[in-house]
Amino acid sequence: QVQLAESGGGVVQPGRSLRLSCAASGFTFSSYVMHWVRQAPGKGLEWVAVIWFDGSNKNYADSVKGRFSVSRDNSRNTLYLQMDSLRADDTAVYYCATLGAGHSFSWWGQGTLVTVSS
Amino acid sequence: QSALTQPPSASGSAGQSVTISCTGTSSDIGGYNFVSWYQHHPGKAPKLLIYEVFKRPSGVPDRFSGSKSGNTASLTVSGLQAEDEADYFCSSYAGINDFENVFGTGTKVTVL
Repeated sequence: QVQLAESGGGVVQPGRSLRLSCAASGFTFSSYVMHWVRQAPGKGLEWVAVIWFDGSNKNYADSVKGRFSVSRDNSRNTLYLQMDSLRADDTAVYYCATLGAGHSFSWWGQGTLVTVSS
Repeated sequence: QSALTQPPSASGSAGQSVTISCTGTSSDIGGYNFVSWYQHHPGKAPKLLIYEVFKRPSGVPDRFSGSKSGNTASLTVSGLQAEDEADYFCSSYAGINDFENVFGTGTKVTVL
């Protein structure tokens, strides 16, 4: 069955970096556009980034543009999110998700918690 | 892009129905038939329930139905069951960047 498993979260100081991973299985990873979405404590969901099938195109939310970078390794069935210059308001559970029909998010992982605190 | 507005909570007795609204603008919900709904049990992966306003993925019971009127979309859960107690959130394509969506504020559904 389809599985998406995020990892790499943890506690990090403001200004530092962290890299999240999302391991995919149960489907043809290279055939799917992939998203990162986050949810801050007590808040709603926020779209973060998207990457094309082959990594040739990427888009970011304004709140992370210039600080976060999304990438993928289709040979390893893995999606990444490099987060630099982290701020307290980046504290959230980060989810990876596949793009589905009609701009939906068809499959999601369980998320990984990132806490930015001194 | 502002978040879509959902009521923070909704409730119903087992077997009854509950309807959750999701209000946006003409730039998102009103402008596209790309509204989706998700069920999220805390600590688990969110699950797609509805896409393109009213379509259900394979395996989603027909107790879940979606609709849209103007800038407001709705999710109705009929025949409420205990396992339907969860957070529900909507999403809409916003047409800003390719594949950028805006999400709803989320609704906690309680089965009485």
